[in-house]
Amino acid sequence: AQKITQTQPGMFVQEKEAVTLDCTYDTSDQSYGLFWYKQPSSGEMIFLIYQGSYDEQNATEGRYSLNFQKARKSANLVISASQLGDSAMYFCAMRVVETSYDKVIFGPGTSLSVIP
Amino acid sequence: GAGVSQSPRYKVAKRGQDVALRCDPISGHVSLFWYQQALGQGPEFLTYFQNEAQLDKSGLPSDRFFAERPEGSVSTLKIQRTQQEDSAVYLCASSVRSGTSGTHNEQFFGPGTRLTVL
Repeated sequence: AQKITQTQPGMFVQEKEAVTLDCTYDTSDQSYGLFWYKQPSSGEMIFLIYQGSYDEQNATEGRYSLNFQKARKSANLVISASQLGDSAMYFCAMRVVETSYDKVIFGPGTSLSVIP
Repeated sequence: GAGVSQSPRYKVAKRGQDVALRCDPISGHVSLFWYQQALGQGPEFLTYFQNEAQLDKSGLPSDRFFAERPEGSVSTLKIQRTQQEDSAVYLCASSVRSGTSGTHNEQFFGPGTRLTVL
């Protein structure tokens, strides 16, 4: 069965410091995509970063980078130089696509609080 | 508009009432998804459309939940005889097409409909 695990219900980080949010996944599929989304208190889901299972390089998008360790089935999100606006829920998600099947599984989320 | 829109944004229903939630995906997006997000949890998959075809409805929690996308664009999620446990945010997302798992195929989310069943 496909599953996403995020073991940190809540995290605190000092402003301007870096923080790592953990994500591990379970799938028997060889081809899959991994996503991180941010959900502020306003509720919208904001796409942050994507990593394909065949991508050899770790994805980076501005202050966000994804530490992809395929053998360990882990896809941790690293946020550098944290800002107060980074305070939000963060969800790791996995997408698996077949001919008539397209499913995205979300983890339970990590609540990040940035301290001034 | 450029993004995914959902209406209504908030819905309060008495237990036993039927509700209909609407999703307008981004124009041209083939794939459309519905999710249910309970308070403090991650979104849970409900159902998936490719154009007008509902290819996966394995996440619908009961036969009180029904979704349709008759013309391959706008979708409606209907909940019959609402129960208190149906209270949640219902998120709709669309993407260009399914492609393959290994290709970047971002889902764009709407703002959600917050359903409260009294």
